Amino acid sequence: KAGVTQTPRYLIKTRGQQVTLSCSPISGHRSVSWYQQTPGQGLQFLFEYFSETQRNKGNFPGRFSGRQFSNSRSEMNVSTLELGDSALYLCASSLGTKMGTGELFFGEGSRLTVL
Amino acid sequence: KQEVTQIPAALSVPEGENLVLNCSFTDSAIYNLQWFRQDPGKGLTSLLLIQSSQREQTSGRLNASLDKSSGRSTLYIAASQPGDSATYLCAVRPREGGSEKLVFGKGTKLTVNP
Repeated sequence: KAGVTQTPRYLIKTRGQQVTLSCSPISGHRSVSWYQQTPGQGLQFLFEYFSETQRNKGNFPGRFSGRQFSNSRSEMNVSTLELGDSALYLCASSLGTKMGTGELFFGEGSRLTVL
Repeated sequence: KQEVTQIPAALSVPEGENLVLNCSFTDSAIYNLQWFRQDPGKGLTSLLLIQSSQREQTSGRLNASLDKSSGRSTLYIAASQPGDSATYLCAVRPREGGSEKLVFGKGTKLTVNP
């Protein structure tokens, strides 16, 4: 059974550009969550999608957005990149059907460097 | 606001030693608590999930306990090996907000010396 797949694994952008990251959840999982990991702030919740609807959102500016497709794959977008957006972006999937009780499984992450 | 703290931030032990990693959280209104392992530059690997109604979970050499009323969890690693070297993260699933959101601690970086 394939795990959570994130693409691309590494990318370098310059300030002001935008970036789109992709996440394919484990087959059968309908919930996809996104997290940002930095050395200073640790892991912080960005947002969660279930059945193409955003169910929860963390405390990030509107430059961070996401969406989920009918096959549960998800994308997140960061517009007008800033140096502080450099981070490891992690995607997690879970069944999501029985609220809050399922195990979350994470992908390998997308390492974004903003120059 | 839920906050998760992990102590110590770093731990170095000789191979074969049994060890305990600590996690505390400020709000007992949680669905569950999950322990993860993270190797440098990698994603998170789920180790153990403890539901709020459970007291402990075991997997191989790992045993995690949960005391929801006191806001504490421990991860016990028996007979540590160099391959156990990694950062261990504790995360709780708050009932507030009703989703799959996790609140993480900053982690404990474990080094097991041969």
